[in-house]
Amino acid sequence: AQTVTQSQPEMSVQEAETVTLSCTYDTSESNYYLFWYKQPPSRQMILVIRQEAYKQQNATENRFSVNFQKAAKSFSLKISDSQLGDTAMYFCAFMKRGGKLIFGQGTELSVKP
Amino acid sequence: KAGVTQTPRYLIKTRGQQVTLSCSPISGHRSVSWYQQTPGQGLQFLFEYFSETQRNKGNFPGRFSGRQFSNSRSEMNVSTLELGDSALYLCASSLVVQGENEQFFGPGTRLTVL
Repeated sequence: AQTVTQSQPEMSVQEAETVTLSCTYDTSESNYYLFWYKQPPSRQMILVIRQEAYKQQNATENRFSVNFQKAAKSFSLKISDSQLGDTAMYFCAFMKRGGKLIFGQGTELSVKP
Repeated sequence: KAGVTQTPRYLIKTRGQQVTLSCSPISGHRSVSWYQQTPGQGLQFLFEYFSETQRNKGNFPGRFSGRQFSNSRSEMNVSTLELGDSALYLCASSLVVQGENEQFFGPGTRLTVL
């Protein structure tokens, strides 16, 4: 069975600084996808970034980038130039091809002015 | 293009009652998945429907059931409600074409069981 672990329940960062959220996963699958979702206080789940396991290049979306280490089964999210609107719960998620999303427990990120 | 919609947004029920939640996916999306979110258990997968057939199922008791209609709209039913069923229920739709499986979430239905 696949598992996703986020070891940082809470983190805080000053506005405009950079923060990295950690995620590790366990799977025997070779073909899968990894995601970071953001859930602000409104509770709307928003996709931040996705990574296909077969791609070696790390995904980037504007201020958000990932460090995907397939052998180490690590998938961290880096947020650059943090903004107040980045305050939210962040979930790391795993999905094998044709499967369901398996979420980590989440990291609550606070961006302080 | 309209996003995923869920109705109702809030619901209060008492133990023993049953409840039906509705989800309308993004136009053209044929897959609908349901998740339960609680402070204690986090986000857990309930089931997925694709073309009116249940394709995946999580580890929930038989009190939790669902269905999908020909227009891809989906309903989730919980019978004999228990206090522990209080949660945010999230629905997500995806296109599922050529491996594209990004899931788009609705705003959720918050169920409170008294």
